[in-house]
Amino acid sequence: GEDVEQSLFLSVREGDSSVINCTYTDSSSTYLYWYKQEPGAGLQLLTYIFSNMDMKQDQRLTVLLNKKDKHLSLRIADTQTGDSAIYFCAESEDNYGQNFVFGPGTRLSVLP
Amino acid sequence: DTEVTQTPKHLVMGMTNKKSLKCEQHMGHRAMYWYKQKAKKPPELMFVYSYEKLSINESVPSRFSPECPNSSLLNLHLHALQPEDSALYLCASSQERIGGSPNYGYTFGSGTRLTVV
Repeated sequence: GEDVEQSLFLSVREGDSSVINCTYTDSSSTYLYWYKQEPGAGLQLLTYIFSNMDMKQDQRLTVLLNKKDKHLSLRIADTQTGDSAIYFCAESEDNYGQNFVFGPGTRLSVLP
Repeated sequence: DTEVTQTPKHLVMGMTNKKSLKCEQHMGHRAMYWYKQKAKKPPELMFVYSYEKLSINESVPSRFSPECPNSSLLNLHLHALQPEDSALYLCASSQERIGGSPNYGYTFGSGTRLTVV
């Protein structure tokens, strides 16, 4: 079945850039997403990218997609302490989430 | 209103209790979902309602019983739960696909943290 992999932990210093990586196996993935989950909270959609795009930028967030290698990354510029959270990569074949496959999540710790 | 509201935020229940989790949205979304999330794990889909009809049930035990009384409300009725059912229960809602539009508005609630004792 489909599988989504992420490294589990990342620590960066405040002001540095963070890069969170994700790999997926499903060739028919059409939509790829990044969600943020703060402690005790639900999931917040940060951004998404279609599989026919290579890059998407939204303020401090840059998503890069290498469809050949099935590799997705999320870069957070000027990382702040408020960015400390778990970041989930997810993929689906449709755009209404009935076939979401989530990765295990990357815990980002931002050090002052 | 662009939120999915879940109540209660925390719930402690005994294994013989009956309780219900509630979820509400007023975004006009016609699909609503229940997820279960164990600590340090990604969410796992439990149920999907589309136009108030159950469309997906991911082999969830019968001690979890969903209900969608109308397009804005989603309940999860709990009965005879086990301690391993302790988790964060997340509700989400979205538009149905509209011509492939990416603006499906998939939105999660903050969750109910359930502890079964």
